[in-house]
Amino acid sequence: DSGVTQTPKHLITATGQRVTLRCSPRSGDLSVYWYQQSLDQGLQFLIQYYNGEERAKGNILERFSAQQFPDLHSELNLSSLELGDSALYFCASSVGASGRVGQYFGPGTRLTVL
Amino acid sequence: AQSVTQLGSHVSVSEGALVLLRCNYSSSVPPYLFWYVQYPNQGLQLLLKYTSAATLVKGINGFEAEFKKSETSFHLTKPSAHMSDAAEYFCAVSVPSTSGTYKYIFGTGTRLKVLA
Repeated sequence: DSGVTQTPKHLITATGQRVTLRCSPRSGDLSVYWYQQSLDQGLQFLIQYYNGEERAKGNILERFSAQQFPDLHSELNLSSLELGDSALYFCASSVGASGRVGQYFGPGTRLTVL
Repeated sequence: AQSVTQLGSHVSVSEGALVLLRCNYSSSVPPYLFWYVQYPNQGLQLLLKYTSAATLVKGINGFEAEFKKSETSFHLTKPSAHMSDAAEYFCAVSVPSTSGTYKYIFGTGTRLKVLA
């Protein structure tokens, strides 16, 4: 158990809908990262937040947005969903924002768009 | 541009045999390097990391990796494979960007199969 929690575990929705994925980092970790894992794209870094502020942006679509709240939990919002958004979404956390620390991954949310 | 290449999307070894998973990176600045393992239906777990200290890094579950700058490699090894090592392994690199943040890039993964 990494200490990172993600809800829900599974999500099934329809095209055009909007969903929110939630992540709670390990106790004491200030950085939260979001990743998308799919068979064709592999593991793609989406976005990083550090202590409530956006820190780094990866391959995140404009239809997607995220935020980190004062209690440090984070939410990833996916809107106007398309079939191709079906994937595993992972949240990870680390104690700082430095790239030298490893990340602790949550169990993921499996999103299926029908 | 920074990149990570994992040679071999699938590797099979016999139980008790040497495990060697290859990772090469491309970076214009000294990178931080990581290996992660993903068991079925689970998130990634950090195995080990290289952060410019010792070039031979020991991780959990008997794995180790050696940073070779001249070869731009960070191969993962384990002397004797165990059935429980069957999983997918990801090499990752973290490099600083001009904005002072870090960019994380993961390889495409190598699925390790251990044969009895």
